[in-house]
Amino acid sequence: GENVEQHPSTLSVQEGDSAVIKCTYSDSASNYFPWYKQELGKRPQLIIDIRSNVGEKKDQRIAVTLNKTAKHFSLHITETQPEDSAVYFCAASGLTGGGNKLTFGTGTQLKVEL
Amino acid sequence: EPEVTQTPSHQVTQMGQEVILRCVPISNHLYFYWYRQILGQKVEFLVSFYNNEISEKSEIFDDQFSVERPDGSNFTLKIRSTKLEDSAMYFCASSESGRGQPQHFGDGTRLSIL
Repeated sequence: GENVEQHPSTLSVQEGDSAVIKCTYSDSASNYFPWYKQELGKRPQLIIDIRSNVGEKKDQRIAVTLNKTAKHFSLHITETQPEDSAVYFCAASGLTGGGNKLTFGTGTQLKVEL
Repeated sequence: EPEVTQTPSHQVTQMGQEVILRCVPISNHLYFYWYRQILGQKVEFLVSFYNNEISEKSEIFDDQFSVERPDGSNFTLKIRSTKLEDSAMYFCASSESGRGQPQHFGDGTRLSIL
């Protein structure tokens, strides 16, 4: 089945700097890649997603890139703010299994310091 | 904005007892999911449900677990003969349609097995 690896596990940046989180996936049939933000004790919140027919997608300060050949995708946050501090999870979903399950990465604890 | 709602927010149960976790998916969504997150770990897929039947389940989702849509709005997860290792946050999610569609998560039920 699908396996998603995520790096780094923790990331500290200064306010205003950029943050990059990287994920790799194993199943070449995967075609949908969402990113979730999870604040402590809260639900995973979808912040951006990308499908395999697109190489890059941007929404204000957040962007995601996808390299299908290398089977990796990345989350880019620019001009980071303290409220960006949270755990970020990447996920992948593919054509196998029939149920549209999401396979999550292990998460990145992002800390934006003043 | 419509949300997935889950009850209860916290459930404390003695080992060996049965628990039922309840979810109300977003009203026009057709696909429903249960995920589990053990404290400090990644989100893990349990089961997906469409058209009143399970469409996919993980290895975690064994005979101890069952799901049901008892009426037009609720979606439940039943865990029988609970074990200490069932302690986790259980998230319900729903999506409007199948593959490649955003899954929206509820706030979760924290299950504590004593």
